[in-house]
This record gives sequence, C-alpha cells and structure tokens, in this order.
Amino acid sequence: GQNIDQPTEMTATEGAIVQINCTYQTSGFNGLFWYQQHAGEAPTFLSYNVLDGLEEKGRFSSFLSRSKGYSYLLLKELQMKDSASYLCAVMDMGRRALTFGSGTRLQVQP
Amino acid sequence: SQTIHQWPATLVQPVGSPLSLECTVEGTSNPNLYWYRQAAGRGLQLLFYSIGIDQISSEVPQNLSASRPQDRQFILSSKKLLLSDSGFYLCAWSVRQGGSGNTIYFGEGSWLTVV
Repeated sequence: GQNIDQPTEMTATEGAIVQINCTYQTSGFNGLFWYQQHAGEAPTFLSYNVLDGLEEKGRFSSFLSRSKGYSYLLLKELQMKDSASYLCAVMDMGRRALTFGSGTRLQVQP
Repeated sequence: SQTIHQWPATLVQPVGSPLSLECTVEGTSNPNLYWYRQAAGRGLQLLFYSIGIDQISSEVPQNLSASRPQDRQFILSSKKLLLSDSGFYLCAWSVRQGGSGNTIYFGEGSWLTVV
C-alpha cells in the first residue's frame, strides 16, 4: 500500500518563499507528482520527479529524495494567485494510477 | 493537442436515483482513463482506472460502476445514489506508455449533490 503525508495548511506572505513538504511510503516507487488545485476547480499538473534532485520550472521547484521517501515543492516570489491547495501524489510500479495525499492548503497574505 | 471533457458540470440528484457521468478524451489514442472522487475538504480518491476497452479496475467497492464503450470514452454510473456519494468527480487521462511517468491530466470535474 501507499501512505502520503503533507501538512494540512500553511500561510505565507506575498513575495516570500514557501516550502511544502511531502513524505511517502510505497512498495514500488515510480514517480512523484505535484498538482495545484484552486478552490472549486480541477487539479492542474505542476511537476514530476522520478530521480533524486531538484527540478526547476520558473517560480516553482520540486525536490525528491527516494532514499528518504521525501519531496518538497518550493514556491518563490509568492503571488496572491498562488493561494490554492497543493497535492502530492505517488505512482508505484504495479499500478498506472496516482495515489494522492490530502493536500496542503496554502494561503498567501498581502 | 489533447483535451478532456466531462459532463454534466453540476447536478443535484435525490437519494435512490441513478447517475451517469460521461467523459471523452480527444487528440490521443489508447489512453489510460480514470475516475477520481473528492469529498468536501478531502483528498482525491481513486475510484476506477482503465488501461483499455473492457479493462477496468475498481479500487473501492461501492455502489458505483464504470464502463468504457469506446477507446476514448469513460462513463461513471450508479443505479441508486446514496447521500455519501456527494462530491466532486474528476475524470482524468494519461498516455498509455507515457514518457513523463504517465502524468495524469484532469477534466473540469462534476459536482454531485445527493439530497
């Protein structure tokens, strides 16, 4: 089975940097994904990591350590529109579907 | 480019009534297809996934069923809805033999309220 943990809520200030952590346990790791979900909308894909290290995409970066079962999503130069839930998800070897964590609700304040 | 559409966007149904949510993917062939549900304030729960016509896996035993009548069409059904079926239903797709680890892309979602 799979177990994914991430903080329920976080608050940060506009223009700042925030790091959202995710820990996971899986029987056969085949990739870690981050999605953004605004209230009342469908999730949208942000990033994918399958090898250890940092993947950077504009203001967003995602890091993975497979040995530690750990990932984080780093958001720089926060904007008000970044207020959303951020979902960590894992795919394992045996399945072709993602298992999602409960999500971290980020509130960006002026 | 690929697109995914699901409908209806919103529906209110009485307890015990049937349900049919439809989803269509365009611009790709042989996709993997998924139905997820998100209860209020909670994470995404995988309900069904399909790697081909007549190949559907059920993740959670419940009063819902899924069918795939065509390669790019996925339908979620129920014969008798329960109050606990209320939630945000999301259809999704991924490339059959994907490069980016089978990234999953979601449709717009369908809000179901059972009353």
